[in-house]
Amino acid sequence: DSGVTQTPKHLITATGQRVTLRCSPRSGDLSVYWYQQSLDQGLQFLIQYYNGEERAKGNILERFSAQQFPDLHSELNLSSLELGDSALYFCASSSSSGGTDTQYFGPGTRLTVL
Amino acid sequence: QQQVKQSPQSLIVQKGGISIINCAYENTAFDYFPWYQQFPGKGPALLIAIRPDVSEKKEGRFTISFNKSAKQFSLHIMDSQPGDSATYFCAAIRSTSGTYKYIFGTGTRLKVLA
Repeated sequence: DSGVTQTPKHLITATGQRVTLRCSPRSGDLSVYWYQQSLDQGLQFLIQYYNGEERAKGNILERFSAQQFPDLHSELNLSSLELGDSALYFCASSSSSGGTDTQYFGPGTRLTVL
Repeated sequence: QQQVKQSPQSLIVQKGGISIINCAYENTAFDYFPWYQQFPGKGPALLIAIRPDVSEKKEGRFTISFNKSAKQFSLHIMDSQPGDSATYFCAAIRSTSGTYKYIFGTGTRLKVLA
């Protein structure tokens, strides 16, 4: 158990809908990262927040947004969902601002868009 | 665009054998190269990592070999065990002016036969 929690575990929704994925980092960790894992694309880095501020941005679509709250939990919002958004979404956390920090991954949220 | 190419896509090794997974990168500005191990139904977990000023790093049965001039790095698993059966991801991280870029390979599914 990495200490990172993600909810929900599974999510099934329809195209065009909006969903919110939640992540609670390990106690004391200041950075939260979001990743998308699909069969054909592997693991794709989406975005990183450090102590409430955006720190790094990857291949995150404009339909997706994230934020980190004062209690350091983070939410990833996915809107106007398409079939291709079906994937596993992982959250990870680390103790500092990123880079060479060890990232601890949560168990993931499996999103299915029908 | 994929900046880290990982091969092979899948690998079957006999118990006690050596598993070798290769990654090649395009951007010479990367400055940290971690490897992650992912078991089915779990999030990735950091296995071992190397900086580009080191040619080899060994931790137990796991070794990273790094060839800076060829822009390649590889993971060697010695005395492979059935418990090593998992998906392995290489990654490359670049730090630029306080922000970061995280690029992952597409993964290698390793199966170690008993």
